[in-house]
Amino acid sequence: EAEVAQSPRYKITEKSQAVAFWCDPISGHATLYWYRQILGQGPELLVQFQDESVVDDSQLPKDRFSAERLKGVDSTLKIQPAELGDSAMYLCASSLDERQYFGPGTRLTVT
Amino acid sequence: LAKTTQPISMDSYEGQEVNITCSHNNIATNDYITWYQQFPSQGPRFIIQGYKTKVTNEVASLFIPADRKSSTLSLPRVSLSDTAVYYCLVGGYTGGFKTIFGAGTRLFVKA
Repeated sequence: EAEVAQSPRYKITEKSQAVAFWCDPISGHATLYWYRQILGQGPELLVQFQDESVVDDSQLPKDRFSAERLKGVDSTLKIQPAELGDSAMYLCASSLDERQYFGPGTRLTVT
Repeated sequence: LAKTTQPISMDSYEGQEVNITCSHNNIATNDYITWYQQFPSQGPRFIIQGYKTKVTNEVASLFIPADRKSSTLSLPRVSLSDTAVYYCLVGGYTGGFKTIFGAGTRLFVKA
């Protein structure tokens, strides 16, 4: 079965540094999601793309976070500068319909 | 988007049937009900989805009453490996499927 790929799997960075995460969705999936999940909580939607267009970024902290999906395929989520509170799991998911397929996530630790 | 309410945690023993109920009083006409399972340090995994009445697949059943204001995920004969967090989501398709994850139900299966 095809899978969503994410890299890196783990990232440790110092506060005020820049960090970027990459996601390659399942081929043909038009919708791509980025979630942030703090330990013990459910995933929180940061941004949703339909092809290359942003459908929802209402919960994205736009002063420090940015996301792009230039060709409507893979996507990058960037944080600059990172803050201690950004330590979390960052999950990417893609979908063709109502069912979302999640990647393994990137565990970010900000020190 | 409709908000969902689930029990925070549940305990069960191996071999028992587990029923997790989710309330979604403000579900919209076009909304589907979807359940995901998440193990530690992994992304959520789709379990089952339904619109009304009963849906069954190889791992679970989903019961939805006529008013659709709640739903029940039924896991037959659970095993230790079913220990996980289970999320109930309600959402519809608007330029990509939009849903909100709640805190989920932590199921702990004991031997």
